[in-house]
Amino acid sequence: KAGVTQTPRYLIKTRGQQVTLSCSPISGHRSVSWYQQTPGQGLQFLFEYFSETQRNKGNFPGRFSGRQFSNSRSEMNVSTLELGDSALYLCASSIGPNNEKLFFGSGTQLSVL
Amino acid sequence: QKEVEQNSGPLSVPEGAIASLNCTYSDRGSQSFFWYRQYSGKSPELIMSIYSNGDKEDGRFTAQLNKASQYVSLLIRDSQPSDSATYLCAVNSGGYQKVTFGTGTKLQVIP
Repeated sequence: KAGVTQTPRYLIKTRGQQVTLSCSPISGHRSVSWYQQTPGQGLQFLFEYFSETQRNKGNFPGRFSGRQFSNSRSEMNVSTLELGDSALYLCASSIGPNNEKLFFGSGTQLSVL
Repeated sequence: QKEVEQNSGPLSVPEGAIASLNCTYSDRGSQSFFWYRQYSGKSPELIMSIYSNGDKEDGRFTAQLNKASQYVSLLIRDSQPSDSATYLCAVNSGGYQKVTFGTGTKLQVIP
């Protein structure tokens, strides 16, 4: 069974640009969560989708948005990039809607110059 | 107060010893608790989950949960150099899938 796939693996952008990250969950998994990981803050919850609905959102500005498609694939968008957005963005999938174990992808390393 | 707190370490233990990793959480309504291991440059991987008070053993790993004290711990017996990694405590504090992570404890097992 294929794992969680995130693309691209690396991204370099400049301030003010926007970026879209993609995540394909494990087959049969319907929940997709997104996290931002930085050395100082650790893993910070961005949002979670289940059946195309955003059910939870973390404490991030509105520049961070996402969506989930009917095949459970998810995208995350960051607009008007800032230097502080440089981080590893991790996607995780889980089978069901509640209290489930997370399976992480390899992440997208975003560098904002 | 952070929702999930861990000592950042590093925690250094000799090979063969027991490593004890601790975590406290703030939300009394939390329902499920996890330990993830993250090697440098890799993504987190689940190693233990625990849902009720008491101990849960899986091989060399034992997770302990005390909801009254809002405390979760992970014991690693017979520690090996390959156990050297950052261990992340994670808590699901809502009915939905909102999992909050601690900042992790770095474990170093000295040969």
